Amino acid sequence: KAGVTQTPRYLIKTRGQQVTLSCSPISGHRSVSWYQQTPGQGLQFLFEYFSETQRNKGNFPGRFSGRQFSNSRSEMNVSTLELGDSALYLCASSLGSGRPNSPLHFGNGTRLTVT
Amino acid sequence: AQKITQTQPGMFVQEKEAVTLDCTYDTSDPSYGLFWYKQPSSGEMIFLIYQGSYDQQNATEGRYSLNFQKARKSANLVISASQLGDSAMYFCAMREGQEFADSWGKFQFGAGTQVVVTP
Repeated sequence: KAGVTQTPRYLIKTRGQQVTLSCSPISGHRSVSWYQQTPGQGLQFLFEYFSETQRNKGNFPGRFSGRQFSNSRSEMNVSTLELGDSALYLCASSLGSGRPNSPLHFGNGTRLTVT
Repeated sequence: AQKITQTQPGMFVQEKEAVTLDCTYDTSDPSYGLFWYKQPSSGEMIFLIYQGSYDQQNATEGRYSLNFQKARKSANLVISASQLGDSAMYFCAMREGQEFADSWGKFQFGAGTQVVVTP
């Protein structure tokens, strides 16, 4: 079974630009979550989607948005990039059955550098 | 408020020795799941082991075991017979939620513990 696929692996953008990251979950997984990881802040939750609906949201500004498509694939968009947005962005999928025992399965991440 | 606390920022362990990584959590929800993840320097997050709040026995997966002390809200990971490939950052995580409920909480991660295995 193919794992979680994130594209692209690396991105370099300029401050003020916008960026879209893509995530394809494991087949059969209906929940997709996004995390931002930085050395200073650790793993921070961005949002979670299940069946095309946002189910949970972290404490990030409105510049960070996401969506999920009918095939469970998800995209995350960051507008008006700031230097502080430089991070590893991790996508994770899970069955999302409502059971707390359903683990997250992570992709390899997209490393975003804002200059 | 921080819900997952990992008090050990880093530790060294000799090859073939056992190591215990501490994790305490805070929740008032009777139903929750506890997870441990490993993140090598390459960046991918690898799921290691799961413990449910209603599980009577401690979870084990190969060389990984989880020392679950519910009253103390503690879920320590024990890695037996450490190998050089165990060098990584380890994260404890929790998800609150009711089984089969329509809504459930987000995953919450601790700050992580960096483990370095030495020959």
